[in-house]
Amino acid sequence: DAGVTQSPTHLIKTRGQQVTLRCSPKSGHDTVSWYQQALGQGPQFIFQYYEEEERQRGNFPDRFSGHQFPNYSSELNVNALLLGDSALYLCASSLAGGQGDTEAFFGQGTRLTVV
Amino acid sequence: SQKIEQNSEALNIQEGKTATLTCNYTNYSPAYLQWYRQDPGRGPVFLLLIRENEKEKRKERLKVTFDTTLKQSLFHITASQPADSATYLCALKGGKLIFGQGTELSVKP
Repeated sequence: DAGVTQSPTHLIKTRGQQVTLRCSPKSGHDTVSWYQQALGQGPQFIFQYYEEEERQRGNFPDRFSGHQFPNYSSELNVNALLLGDSALYLCASSLAGGQGDTEAFFGQGTRLTVV
Repeated sequence: SQKIEQNSEALNIQEGKTATLTCNYTNYSPAYLQWYRQDPGRGPVFLLLIRENEKEKRKERLKVTFDTTLKQSLFHITASQPADSATYLCALKGGKLIFGQGTELSVKP
């Protein structure tokens, strides 16, 4: 079992550009959540996808959007990049819509640098 | 607003001692609380989950307590080892995970 895989591992973009990050959940998991982690901070919840729909959203602007595919993999898109978007972006997968006492499995993250 | 706070300063302890990390929360009544370990440049790894009706939970050298009256969880690592050096995150669970800022633990030989 490969666990949660994210791509790419590192990315450098210019202000104003758009970026797409990808995530494949752990085998058997149906729920994908995305987090943004700034240096020295805890992960901040962006949104969660279950059954190909956005189920919950954190306090992030509409520049952040996502998608979940029928095979449960997911993409995070960020438009009009700002310097402040530089962070480690984490994908986490879990079971059953993320409800209940299920643990989350995280990928290794994508380090995004906006210059 | 909902808030989770962990020891803001790094914790430095000697090998073999017990490390105790604190997680306090406000304006929230979580059904579950989780602890994760995160190494530099890596994603968090799940360690333990404790439910609101559980006072204490143990797993090998790890122990977690959950006091819903004090709105606090304590995370203990007994007989600490240099390999335990990492950042430890607490997270409240209610559909989504809400994380604290983490406490960096350094165990010196």
